[in-house]
Amino acid sequence: NAGVTQTPKFRILKIGQSMTLQCAQDMNHNYMYWYRQDPGMGLKLIYYSVGAGITDKGEVPNGYNVSRSTTEDFPLRLELAAPSQTSVYFCASILQGAGSGTQYFGPGTRLTVL
Amino acid sequence: KNEVEQSPQNLTAQEGEFITINCSYSVGISALHWLQQHPGGGIVSLFMLSSGKKKHGRLIATINIQEKHSSLHITASHPRDSAVYICAVYGGSQGNLIFGKGTKLSVKP
Repeated sequence: NAGVTQTPKFRILKIGQSMTLQCAQDMNHNYMYWYRQDPGMGLKLIYYSVGAGITDKGEVPNGYNVSRSTTEDFPLRLELAAPSQTSVYFCASILQGAGSGTQYFGPGTRLTVL
Repeated sequence: KNEVEQSPQNLTAQEGEFITINCSYSVGISALHWLQQHPGGGIVSLFMLSSGKKKHGRLIATINIQEKHSSLHITASHPRDSAVYICAVYGGSQGNLIFGKGTKLSVKP
């Protein structure tokens, strides 16, 4: 199994540009998450999904959108990038929710908005 | 006040020392996770526990639900243990993990 994969690894955007961060998992996990990690801060939940077709906002959803058309894929869309969105983004998945076992993380995407 | 507090924030140890990292939380939980973030940025899950104690190699995690406290111990520490250790609890309002800010451990040879 490849586990959780994320692309790209690094990206520089100009203010106002848009992009999609890709996330895929091959473990048939129902739950998938997008987090951002700012320096010196804990991981913050942006959006999550409990299954295909179902998504919900996390703690910091503003400026982002997600979709979950398949069990495997959970892309994160940034519209009108802003410097405040400079961060490291992690995608994660778990079989049946955060109390059910090991949460698997992707390698992260380092995004800089200039 | 953060719902998950870790201490210390930074820790430097000599190789071979016994390490303890603490995590206190203020919300009711059903599970607690310990994660390790490598210097390169990758995050791996070390333990999930809801009571008692778990051991994996040189790592031991304990939790006291009544005191809302967990500890991660590393025996015979090694430079390769150098990483950020993150505590996260499950049981928040959105049913997802709430993360501490992490403890940065540096083990010197």
